[in-house]
Amino acid sequence: EAGVTQSPTHLIKTRGQQATLRCSPISGHTSVYWYQQALGLGLQFLLWYDEGEERNRGNFPPRFSGRQFPNYSSELNVNALELEDSALYLCASSLGGTATPQETQYFGPGTRLLVL
Amino acid sequence: AQSVTQPDIHITVSEGASLELRCNYSYGATPYLFWYVQYPGQHLQLLLKYFSGDPLVKGIKGFEAEFIKSKFSFNLRKPSVQWSDTAEYFCAVNAGGFKTIFGAGTRLFVKA
Repeated sequence: EAGVTQSPTHLIKTRGQQATLRCSPISGHTSVYWYQQALGLGLQFLLWYDEGEERNRGNFPPRFSGRQFPNYSSELNVNALELEDSALYLCASSLGGTATPQETQYFGPGTRLLVL
Repeated sequence: AQSVTQPDIHITVSEGASLELRCNYSYGATPYLFWYVQYPGQHLQLLLKYFSGDPLVKGIKGFEAEFIKSKFSFNLRKPSVQWSDTAEYFCAVNAGGFKTIFGAGTRLFVKA
């Protein structure tokens, strides 16, 4: 069974540009989560999508946004990039639905974003 | 607001020694508790989780964790570590708000 996949693996942008990161969940999973892993800060929760709807978001500015497509894949968009947005962005998926808080999240390899 | 504290940023132990990684959380009720591990060059993966029942939870690769409600702790233990346990370990908490909060992580280095 294929795991969570993310693309691209690396992304280099300059300040002010926009970045688009993509995630494909495990087949059968409807929930997708996005996290930012900056050096020394652990994983910071960004966004949670389930069944195409945004269910929750973390304490990030509105320039961090995303969406979930009908096939449950997801995109994370970061507008007006700032230097401090440089980090590893991890996507995770789970079965979704009402049992979501208890479910194991399966993580992808991440996209490393570097903002120059 | 719920939070997770992993007070040890780096830990170095010798192969065969016992290990305890600390995790404390702040939340009034009993949350869902997780330990994840990230081996070098690999994806983050689940070690174990606790929802209810026996406060001593056994996970993969010989790890276990004990939920102590009075101390708001969920420490990870292993009686005898191996060199292959070198990794970064994350404690995580979900208080039912559909948002999992991760600690900052503990980097473990096991000396051969």
